[in-house]
Amino acid sequence: GESVGLHLPTLSVQEGDNSIINCAYSNSASDYFIWYKQESGKGPQFIIDIRSNMDKRQGQRVTVLLNKTVKHLSLQIAATQPGDSAVYFCAEKGSGYSTLTFGKGTMLLVSP
Amino acid sequence: GAVVSQHPSWVICKSGTSVKIECRSLDFQATTMFWYRQFPKQSLMLMATSNEGSKATYEQGVEKDKFLINHASLTLSTLTVTSAHPEDSSFYICSAPKTNTEAFFGQGTRLTVV
Repeated sequence: GESVGLHLPTLSVQEGDNSIINCAYSNSASDYFIWYKQESGKGPQFIIDIRSNMDKRQGQRVTVLLNKTVKHLSLQIAATQPGDSAVYFCAEKGSGYSTLTFGKGTMLLVSP
Repeated sequence: GAVVSQHPSWVICKSGTSVKIECRSLDFQATTMFWYRQFPKQSLMLMATSNEGSKATYEQGVEKDKFLINHASLTLSTLTVTSAHPEDSSFYICSAPKTNTEAFFGQGTRLTVV
């Protein structure tokens, strides 16, 4: 189930389940959205991205959905594995070399 | 793929001393790099944008005299935490955009000020 901790919401799932991590973004003018995975003590790693002119993009075991009407982004992970346990951040940016703005993050805990 | 190397990965320093953190883009040139700070269980907060050949741009509330940024070459940016205090203890992360849409992150630096 999903719970809200002191700062980071946590999603706990069993190995093999599908996981859905949600993110609300703030800027309706954002052009580009990215999901990052951050393991403890490491920098963020790119997972998948999507442009504002798309509503769905699929990668290997991951799918990103974008709903611009409600400014909502989700990351779906199929057949979640213990190695997927990490904190997941969505990020948004405008066009060009504009800065990334990160969401609050969700901790994903996968039990064997 | 492109790699951004950040050094050191962790450092412990005494209160009042200064600490320098390096961020290098290893296989591409970066005229811009970004420095973030992350507290435990929180998101990345942008501190400043490092610009090669010109002054860094600091976010509101970030002291430029406290966090000195130097972007001396197209592959190197440094962040110096001056006169560090325990409240500066945090995880510092750099990022370098390779294109308009590709940004790569360093491994992060865990700073502990005692």
